[in-house]
Amino acid sequence: NAGVTQTPKFQVLKTGQSMTLQCAQDMNHNSMYWYRQDPGMGLRLIYYSASEGTTDKGEVPNGYNVSRLNKREFSLRLESAAPSQTSVYFCASSEAFSATEAFFGQGTRLTVV
Amino acid sequence: SQKIEQNSEALNIQEGKTATLTCNYTNYSPAYLQWYRQDPGRGPVFLLLIRENEKEKRKERLKVTFDTTLKQSLFHITASQPADSATYLCALDLNTGNQFYFGTGTSLTVIP
Repeated sequence: NAGVTQTPKFQVLKTGQSMTLQCAQDMNHNSMYWYRQDPGMGLRLIYYSASEGTTDKGEVPNGYNVSRLNKREFSLRLESAAPSQTSVYFCASSEAFSATEAFFGQGTRLTVV
Repeated sequence: SQKIEQNSEALNIQEGKTATLTCNYTNYSPAYLQWYRQDPGRGPVFLLLIRENEKEKRKERLKVTFDTTLKQSLFHITASQPADSATYLCALDLNTGNQFYFGTGTSLTVIP
């Protein structure tokens, strides 16, 4: 029972490089989310997908793009990485967009140098 | 401005005692409030959800209260154990689709 799987777990990028963080869930959940977690800032929502085929901006979307590839997969793309994007990124999913628990992946630790 | 504040200091308690963590918020009107546990290097794990019209919710040694007048939630762990040591996050669910707004968390250490 995998739950939410993120790849990669660790990544180092140079400023200006691009990369895509992958996320897949096997719980048939409708809603998926990308968060970043920084010391002293808590978890902040980057983008979310309330259901397959829809995506919306969260609290801190600048510098990111997302794709809800199908019901299972939700990817996060950094087109031109900046040091300010150094963070731990978490993907999460839930059955609905409200009033239900969220299941989180193990996180991706990204460093931009 | 909108704010979610949890205990600013780390909390250290003796094994067997009750740990009480606070979550205060301003300028939000959450429909639900959730508590999560996060261990180092791991993603948060759901513990409890409480609705705005519920005063209290219990699950085994955990109890959550939700006071929408005070804009506060209290999270209690009774008969605490060293295995309860972790960071605990509160999350506000506004029922708008932007799920969720998280606090910065409280680090709890239970001393044997």
